[in-house]
Amino acid sequence: GAGVSQSPSNKVTEKGKDVELRCDPISGHTALYWYRQSLGQGLEFLIYFQGNSAPDKSGLPSDRFSAERTGGSVSTLTIQRTQQEDSAVYLCASSLDISGGSNEQFFGPGTRLTVL
Amino acid sequence: GDSVTQMEGPVTLSEEAFLTINCTYTATGYPSLFWYVQYPGEGLQLLLKATKADDKGSNKGFEATYRKETTSFHLEKGSVQVSDSAVYFCALKMDSSYKLIFGSGTRLLVRP
Repeated sequence: GAGVSQSPSNKVTEKGKDVELRCDPISGHTALYWYRQSLGQGLEFLIYFQGNSAPDKSGLPSDRFSAERTGGSVSTLTIQRTQQEDSAVYLCASSLDISGGSNEQFFGPGTRLTVL
Repeated sequence: GDSVTQMEGPVTLSEEAFLTINCTYTATGYPSLFWYVQYPGEGLQLLLKATKADDKGSNKGFEATYRKETTSFHLEKGSVQVSDSAVYFCALKMDSSYKLIFGSGTRLLVRP
């Protein structure tokens, strides 16, 4: 079956603009995660969804970042008033559920965001 | 807090050489441990995992053993190929948590 897909694959924007990044999880996966991969910070967790609910938003780096998930499926990560330090690869992952110590997370190919 | 430490890269080897990439962790409890691989231009893929002490994860000729006494999960392969060139990430996940905590990644370059 299809894996996790993300769009766009690349996004170049100007400082101060808003951007939206999209993630389509694997069908039937109730849990969805956003991570960020940047040169200075490595791979860092941002937020997760169980269904449409995001119980823990503490990983979001600032209030310019927000995310939502609708219909228990597609998720959008929005960055408002982008800054150069937001440049990174944004990765989405999904899993059947969040419970269980070894519940495998399947990753999408990522969206490379460049803020000029 | 919980964390993962990996050896610095890049690691450059000749084809058929033996590979070790060191990974140690700090955790309050007993996490599940993972190795993910990121091939050039591709997303993260799970390579192998281990969920309890002394478990050995293996896949595609790679192995790693969960060592509670040394809090380690070193990745090994007996004979690397050019196609193994990638970035390798060690990660942990606590049973009570939902997020993966990653190491900084180790780039492997295998030369013919």
